[in-house]
Amino acid sequence: KQEVTQIPAALSVPEGENLVLNCSFTDSAIYNLQWFRQDPGKGLTSLLLIQSSQREQTSGRLNASLDKSSGRSTLYIAASQPGDSATYLCAVISSGGSNYKLTFGKGTLLTMNP
Amino acid sequence: DAGVIQSPRHEVTEMGQEVTLRCKPISGHNSLFWYRQTMMRGLELLIYFNNNVPIDDSGMPEDRFSAKMPNASFSTLKIQPSEPRDSAVYFCASSLAANSYNEQFFGPGTRLTVL
Repeated sequence: KQEVTQIPAALSVPEGENLVLNCSFTDSAIYNLQWFRQDPGKGLTSLLLIQSSQREQTSGRLNASLDKSSGRSTLYIAASQPGDSATYLCAVISSGGSNYKLTFGKGTLLTMNP
Repeated sequence: DAGVIQSPRHEVTEMGQEVTLRCKPISGHNSLFWYRQTMMRGLELLIYFNNNVPIDDSGMPEDRFSAKMPNASFSTLKIQPSEPRDSAVYFCASSLAANSYNEQFFGPGTRLTVL
């Protein structure tokens, strides 16, 4: 059974810093990995999707890397801003026949300090 | 596009009552997913549909839960009878197709409180 872990559960950093969020998964047989952002009381917004054949994806100040063999992904946020405060969730799609299932981590709550 | 639409946004009901949550996926999307989010268990997939057909309902917790998709633009998740432990935020998501290449787009969720 696939398990996704995100450490730390919460992170507080000064604005302007570069930061890294971590995600690990137990079964390396994945199809892809997605990073989402969730604001309080809101739904999830997809940030980046990395296919299993890719090593990284970039969108603006965000860069996500994937190391399947070690079961790890990182989300790098450059020059953090107040608006980056949110919960960041990592999810993987594992191989499993014809079934298609996203397994989520519990997220990292990011708080930006002025 | 308005995105995935869910209703109601908030629902408060008493134990034993029937609850129906509604979802309208993004037009043109062929796959629809129902998730539940709690502090203890995080986000869990309950069921998903491809072209209106339920594909995997292994995440549905009990027979009290049922989901339907009568057409490509509408789905319901029903809980009957509801229990306090069903209190959670229920999300609906849709994608072009249920494969590894398509992103899922989430609705704003329905916050359910069962007293």
